[in-house]
Amino acid sequence: DAKTTQPNSMESNEEEPVHLPCNHSTISGTDYIHWYRQLPSQGPEYVIHGLTSNVNNRMASLAIAEDRKSSTLILHRATLRDAAVYYCILRHYYGGSQGNLIFGKGTKLSVKP
Amino acid sequence: GAVVSQHPSRVICKSGTSVKIECRSLDFQATTMFWYRQFPKQSLMLMATSNEGSKATYEQGVEKDKFLINHASLTLSTLTVTSAHPEDSSFYICSAELRTSRFETQYFGPGTRLLVL
Repeated sequence: DAKTTQPNSMESNEEEPVHLPCNHSTISGTDYIHWYRQLPSQGPEYVIHGLTSNVNNRMASLAIAEDRKSSTLILHRATLRDAAVYYCILRHYYGGSQGNLIFGKGTKLSVKP
Repeated sequence: GAVVSQHPSRVICKSGTSVKIECRSLDFQATTMFWYRQFPKQSLMLMATSNEGSKATYEQGVEKDKFLINHASLTLSTLTVTSAHPEDSSFYICSAELRTSRFETQYFGPGTRLLVL
């Protein structure tokens, strides 16, 4: 599975936008980019996923570079409840099925009031 | 929608006993469920993939006789930690895969914290 690289930690101020970067220079054409987040003492929560085009949902936006070697998760207005570890994961798609989710260390986001 | 529950949320047991953890998809059917383990300050590690009606597939290094997985229905998978020891103390998290005509997405349970004394 192709690897991702994320900063260990980031800080943000409440109500400001947050851009969480992820590098995946060895991504293949059938790797989907998934983002999950994990709040303390909870299971991970699905945030968003994409393949080539930018994606928006009620939680966040995903901006994917044209060469797909990097992506950015955008939280438009950070709240204290967004403090979590954010995982960027590549999930391989093959033969009508998806590969396993392999979690790295993620980025620990702190939000200051 | 896409809610996954786990029971119990936390359990304390004596060394040598067995503990069963349940994972349920509450509002969708899941042919495939997954079991993960997370030690303090570490990331999630996939233990096994559970398929309804068939044997689970275990990741390398995970003992199938110690971590028994049963996926008897499309909404329930169970993980039994047999003869638990203190080193098995961890945060166990399950996920269930929601499949649509376009995509598959894993939804996670809240986790079960196991402490073996």
